[in-house]
Formats: sequence, structure tokens, C-alpha cells
Amino acid sequence: AQKVTQAQTEISVVEKEDVTLDCVYETRDTTYYLFWYKQPPSGELVFLIRRNSFDEQNEISGRYSWNFQKSTSSFNFTITASQVVDSAVYFCALRPLIYNQGGKLIFGQGTELSVKP
Amino acid sequence: DADVTQTPRNRITKTGKRIMLECSQTKGHDRMYWYRQDPGLGLRLIYYSFDVKDINKGEISDGYSVSRQAQAKFSLSLESAIPNQTALYFCATSEDWGGNQPQHFGDGTRLSIL
Repeated sequence: AQKVTQAQTEISVVEKEDVTLDCVYETRDTTYYLFWYKQPPSGELVFLIRRNSFDEQNEISGRYSWNFQKSTSSFNFTITASQVVDSAVYFCALRPLIYNQGGKLIFGQGTELSVKP
Repeated sequence: DADVTQTPRNRITKTGKRIMLECSQTKGHDRMYWYRQDPGLGLRLIYYSFDVKDINKGEISDGYSVSRQAQAKFSLSLESAIPNQTALYFCATSEDWGGNQPQHFGDGTRLSIL
């Protein structure tokens, strides 16, 4: 099976708190790519990051950081010192390389993050 | 101007009507996709196209058809709309087969079928 699970449907935090969004994936492919997208209330999908299956190095971009652990098939996303503007739905997505005709993205269900002032 | 443009942005229509959602892109990408988003389900692939001569079904193609009129244009049609096709629809593009390239999404079309 090829699947992405975001078990947290909704998360609510107060501004300046740190928050981690979980993403667990399943694939039979040994080569694959992982992505995170943000969907703000306006509805568009904004690309945040991609990671390939051979690169387990964690990445930090400002207040955002991503932790990729192949051993647990997880690609978690942490926002440090959250802000109201971080309120959005966040999607984790998987693109297997071989068992994936067309190169489609397999999306998780999304996590709705609400950051309160 | 947006690189991937969807029209209309919002549409309300009645059961049984034929509807066309349009997507155009200025990114020069060969690959184009149509997804639908439903609450709690994420995005699911309806159709995709590698180029103007190539159309492929995704996981939920029943009740939909597509047309790739040019490299830059990919239209999605609902032949006879039904209420459970009420959803947010996204068009996306990506570069030629480079798995690490992100898909670029349009702003979405919010479709309501009454």
C-alpha cells in the first residue's frame, strides 16, 4: 500500500508555542519523495519543502524545521514560536518513484492548525 | 500573474448540469493534473496528462472527463453533475519526469452542486 497518514486532524495552540505536525507514510518503493504543502484560509496550496528518500538530513528554514526518519517512516514538521499567520491546513504528500505511474502525489488527510493570539 | 490559473474560482450549479473547469499555465510544464479536495480526505487525483496526446485516469475518474487542448491548457468536465461532486478542485503542473520537482497548484475552484 502507498499511503500517507496525518493522524492529527486539528491542532490548536497559543501564539509563540512550538507545534509539531506528524506525518507517517507507507510505500513499497525504495526511492521516493516527500513534500509538505500549506493551505491558508484563502485556499491555495503553497509548496513548503521536498525531501528525497536518500537524504535524511533534517532541514531548518527560519521558524520551520523538518525531521525525516526513514526508520519510522515519518516526516514531521515543527513550527517554532508559532504565529497567527501560521494558521492553515498542512498537507504531507508522498511521491513514489517507481510504483507511481504519472508521478502523482499521494496526500495525507491534512492537519488544520489554529494559532490563537 | 499566477503561473497556474483556474477558472472559475467559484461555481454553484444544479444537479444534472454539464460543467467545465479550466486550467491554464505559463510554466511551460508538460505534466498537468486535476485533483479534488474533500474535508478529511486530503487531495485525490482525478486525471493527469503527460502531454497533449496523453490522458490518464487517476483514482477517482468516474463522472469526470478531461481535455488537453494545448500544452498550457487542461480542462476538467463534469458531464452530469451530482451533489457528491461538490468539492474544491485543483489543477497542478510539474516538470518532466523529475520526481523531486514539486507540483505547482492553481488557486482552486470551489464547486457546489445543488
